[in-house]
Amino acid sequence: DVQVEQSGAEVKEPGESLRITCKASGDSLRNYWIGWVRQRPGEGLEWMGFIFFADFETRYSPSFQGQVTISADTSIYTAFLQWSSLKASDSAMYFCATALHGTASWHYWGQGTPVIVSS
Amino acid sequence: QSALTQPASMSGSPGQWITIPCTGTSSDVGRYNFVSWYQQYPGKAPVIVIFDVANRPSGVSNRFSGSKSGNTASLTISGLQAEDEADYYCSSYTTGGVYVFGTGTKVTV
Repeated sequence: DVQVEQSGAEVKEPGESLRITCKASGDSLRNYWIGWVRQRPGEGLEWMGFIFFADFETRYSPSFQGQVTISADTSIYTAFLQWSSLKASDSAMYFCATALHGTASWHYWGQGTPVIVSS
Repeated sequence: QSALTQPASMSGSPGQWITIPCTGTSSDVGRYNFVSWYQQYPGKAPVIVIFDVANRPSGVSNRFSGSKSGNTASLTISGLQAEDEADYYCSSYTTGGVYVFGTGTKVTV
């Protein structure tokens, strides 16, 4: 099994930068993708993108391309979701999840990181 | 990519069954057998209940089952129980090489 643990809640002002983290633990982590999902208050789930630990291949959903940056550090098996300039509309809960390479099922989810962007 | 289409809400009595449809296109649901279903309680992370259209992860009740016909996938919950009251989302792999969620269905028991 793979476990993922996310960083804590963030409160930021518009225009600030932010990086949140998702740390994976378990066996054969190089064979896993880490995905990011946004959920705005009272709304549904949205796939943002995902990264493969083995070669750092990264894919973004069209709505999020250019809006965020997904990266990873395999020395600590941690994935990152980064904004360079936050907007109020980025206020949401952000979940990370894992999928074994060659599969399309995201079995293990983090607890979520709430992000509030407000002046 | 547009979100897959699900009814906003469905309800059933304890012991009954319901089937939640998830309608996509020939570029996602219709093309791949990579449809998953997730259960989400308020304030909690999603939990996978069905993967690859019809497979159940270990530990998930056999009251949950999945199927697909053409561009529409379905999640059936039989023998409804109070604990099944939650939001349910489908998800599919797409020809764009990314995933898309459904609009979500709130199930009331």
